[in-house]
Amino acid sequence: QSVLTQPPSVSAAPGQKVTISCSGSTSNIGNNYVSWYQQLPGTAPKVLIYDNNKRPSGIPDRFSGSKSGTSATLGITGLQTGDEADYYCGTWNSSLTTYVFGTGTKVTVL
Amino acid sequence: EVQLVESGGGLVQPGGSLRLSCAASGFTFSSYEMNWVRQAPGRGLEWVSQISDSGTTIYYADSVKGRFTISRDNAKNSLYLQMNSLRAEDTAVYYCARSYCSSTSCYRDYWGQGTLVTVSS
Repeated sequence: QSVLTQPPSVSAAPGQKVTISCSGSTSNIGNNYVSWYQQLPGTAPKVLIYDNNKRPSGIPDRFSGSKSGTSATLGITGLQTGDEADYYCGTWNSSLTTYVFGTGTKVTVL
Repeated sequence: EVQLVESGGGLVQPGGSLRLSCAASGFTFSSYEMNWVRQAPGRGLEWVSQISDSGTTIYYADSVKGRFTISRDNAKNSLYLQMNSLRAEDTAVYYCARSYCSSTSCYRDYWGQGTLVTVSS
C-alpha cells in the first residue's frame, strides 16, 4: 500500500468546489515538492499541479494546489462533469529513494 | 509534439520474462529522465522505476527490485524495461513517462498510452 493517503472518493454538484487531501510524512511530502495527476477513465494520467502549487500551461486555474507540513491539498473549483476522474498526488520519498503516488481519489460530479 | 509509444506487452506465464519498449519522439530524449509506472486492473498508480538522462542513475520500487531492469538507448530514442521472474501481481498496464525537472523538483509531464502485461498460466 502507498505511503501517501488520500480519501477514496469525494463528490459535489456542478459548479461547486472539492478538495482532495494527501497525507504523508517528513520522508516524502514534508521535504519534497508534490505533484497532482488527473486520470480520466480509460486514459493515461495527466499532470495538473507541480512544485506544490504550479500549473503547467494549459491547465485551467480552477485547479489549485497547496502544501502544509506533511500534507498537500488539491482544490477544484467550478466543478464540471468533465472533471470526473481519478486524482493522484505524487512526490519523491527520500528515505526509500523511490517516487510514490497517493492511493488515489475518485471525483464524482453529482 | 511529444510522443511516447509503449510496446511489448502481452500474456506471459508466471516465472516468465518480457521486455517492454517505449519509443520517444518530439523532444531531445537524451536530455530527460524517464520512468515506468504501472497500474493493476482497477487499482491505483504504482511507480516502478526511473533512469537518469545519461542512464547512470537508476531507482526501482522494492516490489520489482532484482527482477526488473530499466535501460535506455539514447541513440535510438528508446526506453526499455526487462521484466524477469514475473508474478501474477505484476499484471498491469505499464506506462512510460517523461520527467520534467524544474529548478526545484521533477514531475512526470508526458505519458504514453500504456501497454498491458498479463501474467497468468
